[in-house]
Amino acid sequence: KAGVTQTPRYLIKTRGQQVTLSCSPISGHRSVSWYQQTPGQGLQFLFEYFSETQRNKGNFPGRFSGRQFSNSRSEMNVSTLELGDSALYLCASNRTPQRETQYFGPGTRLLVL
Amino acid sequence: TQLLEQSPQFLSIQEGENLTVYCNSSSVFSSLQWYRQEPGEGPVLLVTVVTGGEVKKLKRLTFQFGDARKDSSLHITAAQPGDTGLYLCAGARYNQGGKLIFGQGTELSVKP
Repeated sequence: KAGVTQTPRYLIKTRGQQVTLSCSPISGHRSVSWYQQTPGQGLQFLFEYFSETQRNKGNFPGRFSGRQFSNSRSEMNVSTLELGDSALYLCASNRTPQRETQYFGPGTRLLVL
Repeated sequence: TQLLEQSPQFLSIQEGENLTVYCNSSSVFSSLQWYRQEPGEGPVLLVTVVTGGEVKKLKRLTFQFGDARKDSSLHITAAQPGDTGLYLCAGARYNQGGKLIFGQGTELSVKP
C-alpha cells in the first residue's frame, strides 16, 4: 500500500506570494492533518480534515487555510507569505479522527526569500 | 506553551551505550506516540502506547507510558550508529487523534 504522498517536495517563493501544497493520504484513510515543522518551534498542528470538513484548527493566522476533497486528498494554502513561513510542511493521515496514530508523508520544504 | 517537555534535546553517545529519552507533561493524554525522523523526511511511527503503565519493546527499544498517562520514556539498549536520528514524542487527546501535541525532539547521534 502506498504511503502518504506530498507534492511538491521543494518550493521556493518570495515574500508576499501565495503557495498551495498538496497531500494524498494512504488509500482508505479519510482523516488528514497538516503540521508545520521549524527548528525553533518544532512540529506544530495546523488543521485536521475529515469528510471534507475541518475538525480542528491550530493557532495559526488566517493566512493559513486548507481544504479536503471528496477523494480525501487535501490541500493547504498560505497567502501573503512571510519569511517566517519557511518550514517543512507535513501531512499525516489515518482512517478516522478517532485513530490517534498518524502516518506522515515526506513533507514539502518551503523556503520563502 | 510547550505542553510536552522532551529531554534531553541533544545526545551524543558511543556505540554500545544505553540511553533514555524522557517526555513529560502536566496534561493527561489518551495515548502517546514515539516517532523517528531522518533529515528531510517525515516522522516514522515507532510505537503507540495507550494504557497507563504500559511497556512496549521493539528490539533494543523499550517504551513506557506513565501510570497517570502524563509522561513517557524511550530507552535504547546498546545503541548503534543506525539509531542516529531525531526522536519525537507526541500526545493525543481523546477524540482528537489528528491533533497531536509534539515534544521538541531529541537529536541522537551514535558514533561508531
